[in-house]
Amino acid sequence: AQSVTQLGSHVSVSEGALVLLRCNYSSSVPPYLFWYVQYPNQGLQLLLKYTTGATLVKGINGFEAEFKKSETSFHLTKPSAHMSDAAEYFCAVSSFDSWGKLQFGAGTQVVVTP
Amino acid sequence: DTAVSQTPKYLVTQMGNDKSIKCEQNLGHDTMYWYKQDSKKFLKIMFSYNNKELIINETVPNRFSPKSPDKAHLNLHINSLELGDSAVYFCASSAMGGQGNSPLHFGNGTRLTVT
Repeated sequence: AQSVTQLGSHVSVSEGALVLLRCNYSSSVPPYLFWYVQYPNQGLQLLLKYTTGATLVKGINGFEAEFKKSETSFHLTKPSAHMSDAAEYFCAVSSFDSWGKLQFGAGTQVVVTP
Repeated sequence: DTAVSQTPKYLVTQMGNDKSIKCEQNLGHDTMYWYKQDSKKFLKIMFSYNNKELIINETVPNRFSPKSPDKAHLNLHINSLELGDSAVYFCASSAMGGQGNSPLHFGNGTRLTVT
């Protein structure tokens, strides 16, 4: 069984400040980890993913995440927040034979203040 | 060109009615999905199809019946709609769906409201 916990349902950051969204996972098999972003009234868009190899992965819009197996974490960061980063962010986990079955976290809503 | 398109975008209907949501993808993917997002924005898989074959049926009531006429289309028919069916339904697709490392491409969702 797999599960994801996202710490903090709402995060408020100032424009230009660091964005840090926390994600911890549970998986009995090697995980594949994803971050998706959802803008209002839209579908989910892939930000980045970790499958194998380099544990620091870079995604779109300046986001990156680091897979830490010892901490079962996959936190998402962006050095400098932009107003356009205001959205809902979802962490998700799957595995090799999951047939696309993603277990999503509950989501974190990011508000960016001027 | 929209990669994963679903229609309608909004669907308002009364309890007991039957409704359908259509989905099409032009990405050449072999696997398609229906996900449900509830009022708290929690996302959960309902079904997945690989090359028109049902792979995942995640304990969804029998009132929900997916149909995949070809690998580019996956429709969702819902019978006898209930208040609890109100949600946003997302269609998605991926390449090589059997391998969980393929990212999903989502449509923009269908907001279903049952009154």
